[in-house]
Amino acid sequence: GAVVSQHPSRVICKSGTSVKIECRSLDFQATTMFWYRQFPKKSLMLMATSNEGSKATYEQGVEKDKFLINHASLTLSTLTVTSAHPEDSSFYICSAIGVGGTSSTDTQYFGPGTRLTVL
Amino acid sequence: AQSVAQPEDQVNVAEGNPLTVKCTYSVSGNPYLFWYVQYPNRGLQFLLKYITGDNLVKGSYGFEAEFNKSQTSFHLKKPSALVSDSALYFCAVRDPRVTGGFKTIFGAGTRLFVKA
Repeated sequence: GAVVSQHPSRVICKSGTSVKIECRSLDFQATTMFWYRQFPKKSLMLMATSNEGSKATYEQGVEKDKFLINHASLTLSTLTVTSAHPEDSSFYICSAIGVGGTSSTDTQYFGPGTRLTVL
Repeated sequence: AQSVAQPEDQVNVAEGNPLTVKCTYSVSGNPYLFWYVQYPNRGLQFLLKYITGDNLVKGSYGFEAEFNKSQTSFHLKKPSALVSDSALYFCAVRDPRVTGGFKTIFGAGTRLFVKA
């Protein structure tokens, strides 16, 4: 099936610094990408949806200025956690819907996730 | 409001026995239904989906799911469980009529534990 990668898989940073997480669709063009946050033993919380070349649409309660999302190309979206604090520590997962390769336009394909720890 | 319910936090089954992970949904119309599996510290892997057609859908790793419109259910099944099937399973639903059609709602997840 279609493959989505994330980098880094794990990051530890100091409070107040910014962290960038990359999400790439490897064998298809991701027309829409999603960013989720997952708390321990909890389901996924959708943070934002982005279409290539457009501004991201954030879910209610998600701070746009804190979680910057850029979807500049059909294969890359980035999530930047600005001025990170310990409460931002979480597992962040991206997913994509797109065309081409072995992808199906009605299925979301997920990256492996990024574990962020803010000290 | 649209919702997905996975009534069991955990399902325990012995290896070799059949397994069922339950899912019910509340979405009007003809939703798209999905099952995903998540292994520790990993993202979600797509298992199978129901869009239209035959109510019994076969997916990866020997899993299948049956769409039941009257009961608004989409239970995940496997005839013979393996220890390696132990993971967290998510049911998801999407209403294709929603503008953009891409907002997927996930259930809370069911942890499957297969004992050797």
